[in-house]
Amino acid sequence: AQSVTQLDSQVPVFEEAPVELRCNYSSSVSVYLFWYVQYPNQGLQLLLKYLSGSTLVESINGFEAEFNKSQTSFHLRKPSVHISDTAEYFCAVSGVNTPLVFGKGTRLSVIA
Amino acid sequence: NAGVTQTPKFRILKIGQSMTLQCTQDMNHNYMYWYRQDPGMGLKLIYYSVGAGITDKGEVPNGYNVSRSTTEDFPLRLELAAPSQTSVYFCASRYQTGVQETQYFGPGTRLLVL
Repeated sequence: AQSVTQLDSQVPVFEEAPVELRCNYSSSVSVYLFWYVQYPNQGLQLLLKYLSGSTLVESINGFEAEFNKSQTSFHLRKPSVHISDTAEYFCAVSGVNTPLVFGKGTRLSVIA
Repeated sequence: NAGVTQTPKFRILKIGQSMTLQCTQDMNHNYMYWYRQDPGMGLKLIYYSVGAGITDKGEVPNGYNVSRSTTEDFPLRLELAAPSQTSVYFCASRYQTGVQETQYFGPGTRLLVL
């Protein structure tokens, strides 16, 4: 069985400061890893994903995540956050032909 | 492409009533999913389908039923609504082949059971 642990339920950070949202996973098989973002009162949007190849993946809005197999982690980082990054972020894991399993989410609050 | 559409957007039910949450995708994806989202709990899988005529239970299937008669539609049925089913429901479809993998979510249905 697969599982995801998001270590922080809430992360407050000042605007233009760096941020890291932590995600650890558990799986006995090869994994695909994802970060989704949910803005207030909206659905989920894919932020970035790791399927294979380079362990560092990037999104178009400045976020990046690194797949670390030895530490079973897929932490999300951004060097300088904006007010518009305020949202809830979900880490998820799946395998081939298996449904996504989500973490409980991390609420990122960017303070002006 | 409309992507994944869900209806209704909002609904208030009384205890014991029934309803069907509709989900349609126009991307010809084989995989479809129903999740529920509760505050602080993330998304939990209710049911999923790997193709027309095939469905399977997820983590929290009790109180729900699904069917998949076509590739496009994957309705979720609540037979006897209970307050514990107050939640936001998301439908999703998935494209997976080789190392190409993308899952699309609908906008959600907010359900309140009183």
